[in-house]
Amino acid sequence: KQEVTQIPAALSVPEGENLVLNCSFTDSAIYNLQWFRQDPGKGLTSLLLIQSSQREQTSGRLNASLDKSSGRSTLYIAASQPGDSATYLCAVKEGGSEKLVFGKGTKLTVNP
Amino acid sequence: EPEVTQTPSHQVTQMGQEVILRCVPISNHLYFYWYRQILGQKVEFLVSFYNNEISEKSEIFDDQFSVERPDGSNFTLKIRSTKLEDSAMYFCASIRLLGAGYEQYFGPGTRLTVT
Repeated sequence: KQEVTQIPAALSVPEGENLVLNCSFTDSAIYNLQWFRQDPGKGLTSLLLIQSSQREQTSGRLNASLDKSSGRSTLYIAASQPGDSATYLCAVKEGGSEKLVFGKGTKLTVNP
Repeated sequence: EPEVTQTPSHQVTQMGQEVILRCVPISNHLYFYWYRQILGQKVEFLVSFYNNEISEKSEIFDDQFSVERPDGSNFTLKIRSTKLEDSAMYFCASIRLLGAGYEQYFGPGTRLTVT
């Protein structure tokens, strides 16, 4: 059974700092991996989608990498801003299933 | 930009009552999903729906749950007899096609409170 783990559970950084959020998954036979942002009491906003054949994806200040063989992904946020404060969720889709399996998330606080 | 919408944003109901949560997926999307998130826990898959049929469901999705696409735009989740443990945020999601890409787009959620 696929399990997704995100470390750390919470992270607090000063504004302007570069940071890395980690995601690991137990079964490397994934189809893709998606990073989401969730604001308190709100829905999920898709940030980046990495196919299993890709190594990384970039969008603005965000860069996500994928090492499928080791079961790891990282989300790099450059020059963090207070508006980046949110919970970041990682989710994997396995081949042969339509569902996404989510991690519990990393709650990020960027202090001005 | 097209988006998934959900109504209501918050629903309070008494234990044992039936509730219907509504979603309007992105208009040209063909695959639809329901997920839930109990407070403080992971987002969990409930069910996927394509071509007017359930294509996959989790062990959570028991006989108390049902889904329907009653017309060309709405996608609903019905809980027949709510329990306290059904209190959660329910998210609808959709994708256009399976295959390359497969990026799921989520709605803002409906917070269900069962008292």
